[in-house]
Amino acid sequence: GQNIDQPTEMTATEGAIVQINCTYQTSGFNGLFWYQQHAGEAPTFLSYNVLDGLEEKGRFSSFLSRSKGYSYLLLKELQMKDSASYLCAVRVRPFNAGNMLTFGGGTRLMVKP
Amino acid sequence: SQTIHQWPATLVQPVGSPLSLECTVEGTSNPNLYWYRQAAGRGLQLLFYSVGIGQISSEVPQNLSASRPQDRQFILSSKKLLLSDSGFYLCAWSQTQGSNSPLHFGNGTRLTVT
Repeated sequence: GQNIDQPTEMTATEGAIVQINCTYQTSGFNGLFWYQQHAGEAPTFLSYNVLDGLEEKGRFSSFLSRSKGYSYLLLKELQMKDSASYLCAVRVRPFNAGNMLTFGGGTRLMVKP
Repeated sequence: SQTIHQWPATLVQPVGSPLSLECTVEGTSNPNLYWYRQAAGRGLQLLFYSVGIGQISSEVPQNLSASRPQDRQFILSSKKLLLSDSGFYLCAWSQTQGSNSPLHFGNGTRLTVT
């Protein structure tokens, strides 16, 4: 089976940096995804990691360590609009077997002025 | 560009009534299609996925079913809803090629079973 763990809630201040951690234990690994989900809305894709290291996209960066089963999402220069849930998801099968993702419970981030 | 449409946006149904949620994708062919459910304050649970017309795989046994009558159409159904079926239902698609292909979600259907 798969087990994906993230903190339930985090609070940070506008303009600061926040790191959201995700650990996973899976029977296979074929990539890790981060999604942002505002309350009542659908998740939107943020980042993808399949090799170890850091992927940077503007204010957002995502890191992966496959040997440790660990990833984090780093948000810099926080803005009030970054208040949302952040979902970590793992692909455990190759794309030709369905390409589906298994999601963690999500981390609800609250950005305060 | 690809778009995904899902309807209705909200639905209130009594226990024991039937359900039909529809999802269509535009701008791509032969996509993988998915139905996920998200209970309040919880993560996304995969219900069904489809890699082609008429091909449905169920991840969680329950009183829901899915069908794919056309390449870009995915339908979620139930003959008799239960209270526990309440939740936020999300349709998604992905490309069939490339392990880096993310899932793209529709806007979701918020279902309340009363």
